[in-house]
Amino acid sequence: DAGVTQTPRHEVAEKGQTIILKCEPVSGHNDLFWYRQTKIQGLELLSYFRSKSLMEDGGAFKDRFKAEMLNSSFSTLKIQPTEPKDSAVYLCASSHRDYAEQFFGPGTRLTVL
Amino acid sequence: TQTVSQSDAHVTVFEGDSVELRCNYSYGGSIYLSWYIQHHGHGLQFLLKYYSGNPVVQGVNGFEAEFSKSDSSFHLRKASVHWSDSAVYFCALSMWTGGLSGKLTFGEGTQVTVIS
Repeated sequence: DAGVTQTPRHEVAEKGQTIILKCEPVSGHNDLFWYRQTKIQGLELLSYFRSKSLMEDGGAFKDRFKAEMLNSSFSTLKIQPTEPKDSAVYLCASSHRDYAEQFFGPGTRLTVL
Repeated sequence: TQTVSQSDAHVTVFEGDSVELRCNYSYGGSIYLSWYIQHHGHGLQFLLKYYSGNPVVQGVNGFEAEFSKSDSSFHLRKASVHWSDSAVYFCALSMWTGGLSGKLTFGEGTQVTVIS
C-alpha cells in the first residue's frame, strides 16, 4: 500500500505569495490531518477532516490558512498571503476512522523570504 | 484541556545501553496514548499505543511503554539501543469522547542521540 504522499517536498516563496501544498492520504483512510512543525512550537494542528468534513481548524491559523478536502483521496493546504513566520515543515497525516494511529507523509519544508 | 509533557529535550545514550523517555499527561477523562518516532527529514512513524488492559505495551523494534494512571505517565523504554534509534520521539494523547477522537495532542519531543 502506498503511504501518505506530499508534494512538493520543498517550497520557497516570497512574502505575500500564495502557496498550495498537496496531500494524498492512505487509500481507505477517513481522517486527514494537517500539522505545522517548528522547533519552537513543536507540532501544531492546523486542520482535521473526517470523511471529508472539516472537524476542526486551528483557531490561530484561520485567517491565512485554508485546508480543503476535495475528495477522499486528495487534500490541499493554501496559505495566503505567506509571511516569513510561516517558514516551517508542514505535515499531512491520515488514519482509519476507528483507530487513532496516524500515518504521516514526509512533509513539505516551506521557506518564506 | 489536555496536555502532554516530555521533560527531557535531549538524551544521549551509548549503543547497547538502555534508555527511558519520560512522558506525563494531564486529562481527566478516558484517553489513548501513543508514541511516535521521527528520523531527521522524515515524517512521524507510529511506535506503539495504549488504551486499556495490560499497562505494559510492546511496540516495534524492541520498544515498550508502561502506562501509570496514578503517575499520569506513559514512559517509553528500550533495553538495548541501536545507532538507528537516533531520532526525535513524540508522546501523544487522544481523547475518548464517546467515540475515539482522531485528534492527537503531542508532547514537545525528546531528541535521542546514540553514540558508540
